[in-house]
Amino acid sequence: AQSVTQPDIHITVSEGASLELRCNYSYGATPYLFWYVQSPGQGLQLLLKYFSGDTLVQGIKGFEAEFKRSQSSFNLRKPSVHWSDAAEYFCAVAARFSGGYNKLIFGAGTRLAVHP
Amino acid sequence: DTEVTQTPKHLVMGMTNKKSLKCEQHMGHRAMYWYKQKAKKPPELMFVYSYEKLSINESVPSRFSPECPNSSLLNLHLHALQPEDSALYLCASSQGDTLYEQYFGPGTRLTVT
Repeated sequence: AQSVTQPDIHITVSEGASLELRCNYSYGATPYLFWYVQSPGQGLQLLLKYFSGDTLVQGIKGFEAEFKRSQSSFNLRKPSVHWSDAAEYFCAVAARFSGGYNKLIFGAGTRLAVHP
Repeated sequence: DTEVTQTPKHLVMGMTNKKSLKCEQHMGHRAMYWYKQKAKKPPELMFVYSYEKLSINESVPSRFSPECPNSSLLNLHLHALQPEDSALYLCASSQGDTLYEQYFGPGTRLTVT
């Protein structure tokens, strides 16, 4: 069955430090992968996506992610975290179900706290 | 412009009330979605409209009734809700109903008393 695992529920980093958020997926076909960010009480904002091609994808706000098929991973990285990056981060895979419809399968999310 | 708008931002309703949530996008997207999100959880898909037709209903109770008047608008009609229906309701849209990225609105915070 299709699934997304985000192993880290909470992560705390210092401002200016580097960041890596982990995401593992289970999907039989070529995955379409996404990272979304959600500030408290807000909607989800698309950070970046992977459909095909270059396995290192660049997103908004200085984020990047690397697709590794052999590890079924799509980890999100940022070289220097800003206090405004504190938020909930969701990894998602777009899955095609029998009956021809498609949906996003979300991970449980990782809450990022940033210390000054 | 990748904006999806939702009104109202906040809604408090009693269990006997009837209310509606509204969602609008002007990106020319042909698929629109309703999600429900409880605190500290990921969004859960409720409904999908594709080309103004309901294509997915994720076994949502009938007290939630979606409507897609045209390709830019999506409504969610609420009636006889329960306190456990209190949540953030998110609308999203995508270019089509295949594996395109979805763009989310800011949500409506619903409290059922």
